[in-house]
Amino acid sequence: KAGVTQTPRYLIKTRGQQVTLSCSPISGHRSVSWYQQTPGQGLQFLFEYFSETQRNKGNFPGRFSGRQFSNSRSEMNVSTLELGDSALYLCASSLDGTSGGAESGELFFGEGSRLTVL
Amino acid sequence: GEDVEQSLFLSVREGDSSVINCTYTDSSSTYLYWYKQEPGAGLQLLTYIFSNMDMKQDQRLTVLLNKKDKHLSLRIADTQTGDSAIYFCAEMDSSYKLIFGSGTRLLVRP
Repeated sequence: KAGVTQTPRYLIKTRGQQVTLSCSPISGHRSVSWYQQTPGQGLQFLFEYFSETQRNKGNFPGRFSGRQFSNSRSEMNVSTLELGDSALYLCASSLDGTSGGAESGELFFGEGSRLTVL
Repeated sequence: GEDVEQSLFLSVREGDSSVINCTYTDSSSTYLYWYKQEPGAGLQLLTYIFSNMDMKQDQRLTVLLNKKDKHLSLRIADTQTGDSAIYFCAEMDSSYKLIFGSGTRLLVRP
C-alpha cells in the first residue's frame, strides 16, 4: 500500500512569509504527527491529530498550527517565518498513536518537506 | 521533562559489530524504539522493545534494555555499508507521543 506522502518536498520562502505543508497518511491510519528536524535540535514533536482533533502538542509557538481533514489528511502551517524555521518537517501516521501498543503506535514517516527560509 | 540522549557519531569497519547507546529519563516508558534514517529519507522503524523485556533479537539486530539504569542499546552484527545511516532512539512518553534522541550517525568503512 502507498506510504505517507508529503508535499511539497522542497520549498524556499523568505522571512515574514507563511507556508503550508501537506501530509497524506497511509490509508486507514487515523493519527498524524508532525516533527521538526534540525541539525542542532534533532527531532522535535510539533503536534498530533486524530479524527480531526489535535490530541497532543509540543512546545512550539503559536505561529505553528495544523489541522486534519475528515479523510485524515493533515496540513501544517507556519506563519511569519523566521530564519530558524528552516528545517526538515516530517509527518508520520499511525493506526492509533495513543493505544500504547507498539504495533498500533508504530509511526510510519514520510520523506519530509525541506523548508529553507532566507 | 523527558529527555533521550545518544552519542552523535560512530565509525566501524565493515563486518564488525556496531553498538549504539541511548539513555532516557522517563521511567514510565512502556515502549522504546530504534528508528533508522537514510540520507534524504524519512525515519523507518527498525525494532522496538517492551519495557518488561531485557533483550530482543531480530536477525542481525539485538536490543538490550537496562531499565534500572534507563539505558538502551542497539547492536548490529556483521555491519554492512548499507547500514550507514542515522539511528534514533525513542521512548513513548505518558501522553503516548514519541520523544526522540538526537540521533547517532553510523559510518561503516569498507
